[in-house]
Amino acid sequence: DAGVTQSPTHLIKTRGQQVTLRCSPKSGHDTVSWYQQALGQGPQFIFQYYEEEERQRGNFPDRFSGHQFPNYSSELNVNALLLGDSALYLCASRLAGDVLAEYFGPGTRLTVL
Amino acid sequence: KNEVEQSPQNLTAQEGEFITINCSYSVGISALHWLQQHPGGGIVSLFMLSSGKKKHGRLIATINIQEKHSSLHITASHPRDSAVYICAVSLGSGGGADGLTFGKGTHLIIQP
Repeated sequence: DAGVTQSPTHLIKTRGQQVTLRCSPKSGHDTVSWYQQALGQGPQFIFQYYEEEERQRGNFPDRFSGHQFPNYSSELNVNALLLGDSALYLCASRLAGDVLAEYFGPGTRLTVL
Repeated sequence: KNEVEQSPQNLTAQEGEFITINCSYSVGISALHWLQQHPGGGIVSLFMLSSGKKKHGRLIATINIQEKHSSLHITASHPRDSAVYICAVSLGSGGGADGLTFGKGTHLIIQP
């Protein structure tokens, strides 16, 4: 049973570009959350998707958008990249209604030059 | 707004020592997670608690809902325990949206 997977593992972009990160949830999970972790900081909640809709959003600008597909996989899109967007982006999945079982992916390391 | 505070921020200890990391939060929660993050980024979930105490190998996690406080203990610490330990809480009932709120982490180094 595969856990949460993310792709790519590392990514380098330049300012102003756009990026798409991908996440496949653990088998049987229907809820996907995205987090941003800047160097030396704890992760910050970006948004959560359930039933292909954004259900909750943290304090991130509209440049950050997402999508969830019918198979529950999810994408995180960031437009007009800034240097400050350089971070580790983590995806986590769980089954709706089960707050005790959130599983994390390995993360995507984004570097913006 | 829920705040999650961890202490200490940094901890260096000798192999074999008993380690305690503390986590306090400011509002009622539905669940608390202890996570481990090694250099390179991947996060591993150690415990998920809503009450009481859980034990797994040399790791013990406790939570006091009334005092809004949790502790992670490591017995007989080993250099391979060196990592960042992060406390995270969930506010929701599970049926609603509830992204986790994280502490800043405790950077633990166990010296041989």
